[in-house]
Amino acid sequence: RKEVEQDPGPFNVPEGATVAFNCTYSNSASQSFFWYRQDCRKEPKLLMSVYSSGNEDGRFTAQLNRASQYISLLIRDSKLSDSATYLCVVNPYNAGNNRKLIWGLGTSLAVNP
Amino acid sequence: NAGVTQTPKFQVLKTGQSMTLQCAQDMNHNSMYWYRQDPGMGLRLIYYSASEGTTDKGEVPNGYNVSRLNKREFSLRLESAAPSQTSVYFCASSERRRRGDTGELFFGEGSRLTVL
Repeated sequence: RKEVEQDPGPFNVPEGATVAFNCTYSNSASQSFFWYRQDCRKEPKLLMSVYSSGNEDGRFTAQLNRASQYISLLIRDSKLSDSATYLCVVNPYNAGNNRKLIWGLGTSLAVNP
Repeated sequence: NAGVTQTPKFQVLKTGQSMTLQCAQDMNHNSMYWYRQDPGMGLRLIYYSASEGTTDKGEVPNGYNVSRLNKREFSLRLESAAPSQTSVYFCASSERRRRGDTGELFFGEGSRLTVL
């Protein structure tokens, strides 16, 4: 099992749709979790950190399920500008040490007019 | 707001040539990183620097050297380029607090390197 796994997609959805991605991780002791967004041929940018209680930022909601070892990202009311690759990032060790961050391969989202 | 600036953005090398990728950040971050990104592979850490004067190997350090010249700058050197080093290279930085690195990495725009 890969340390961090994501469905590569692509997810093709119409504008206004709700779409959800999951990311599974193998190390049950993992400490911290993040979603990054990467536009085509651009650098990754932090979208959200994922907290144990779940967190929401506008149209975006992130959830952590420690029992099943996955994190999720829900996007409501999709916009054309949401088209990007969404990278799941897990820190399997010390939450204060970014040397061990594990990056997923990403899930590609295309929002269509 | 410059953030993280890396140069060059594009470079073509012949096997055996050397080059240095430059990176500078203006956010007063202690931690800096060099990653490579290849199709079918997640971002992989080449080297990490927690502070000026310190560097640590990441997952894929072979064939690379780094230099943390000062707090702002972190350069990556390929001494003898190989086709396997064809990749997109990203420099990043993050704030380091008393409890350690914060989880938000700020990336440069990337350097696309082709080794023939």
